[in-house]
Amino acid sequence: SQELEQSPQSLIVQEGKNLTINCTSSKTLYGLYWYKQKYGEGLIFLMMLQKGGEEKSHEKITAKLDEKKQQSSLHITASQPSHAGIYLCGADGTGTASKLTFGTGTRLQVTL
Amino acid sequence: DADVTQTPRNRITKTGKRIMLECSQTKGHDRMYWYRQDPGLGLRLIYYSFDVKDINKGEISDGYSVSRQAQAKFSLSLESAIPNQTALYFCATSELGANGYTFGSGTRLTVV
Repeated sequence: SQELEQSPQSLIVQEGKNLTINCTSSKTLYGLYWYKQKYGEGLIFLMMLQKGGEEKSHEKITAKLDEKKQQSSLHITASQPSHAGIYLCGADGTGTASKLTFGTGTRLQVTL
Repeated sequence: DADVTQTPRNRITKTGKRIMLECSQTKGHDRMYWYRQDPGLGLRLIYYSFDVKDINKGEISDGYSVSRQAQAKFSLSLESAIPNQTALYFCATSELGANGYTFGSGTRLTVV
């Protein structure tokens, strides 16, 4: 089965600082999904990456999938308190988008 | 109204009781999923369904059962609740080729 490891597990950054979260898969990724979760609430879809080397951005969040399609990074530029939450990566390991395996999440706190 | 609605939002139940968590969606998606989230363990798949006549076990289906009453409704049952089933439960929907899942807001279940 596919396993996803996220690092770091938790992160505290000062407002305005940049940060990166990594997601590493034990197998080839056919699709990599990034979600954000406010504490105790549902998950909000951020971005999906499918092609090796692909990069997508939304507002101040940029996600990349490496050429070998086994690692993805999520980069936040000039962090704000609204970025606080738990970031989870989800992987489609079959290429059929039938079910996703999730990482354990990265808890982000943004201090003033 | 939310695209994916879970009821109840919170529930406290006693060990040995039967409990049902309900999920309904207005997305028109064929695929529905039940996940549970535990601190430090991420999201784990319990059951999933690709249409009304299709039910599949996920990685942690023991102690759970599901019913797909209609395309829009997918319920999760705990026949005899035990304390280690205390968790945050999420329902999600998707469609083939779509970008990711749409999640409900979650049901926080406590078994005492």
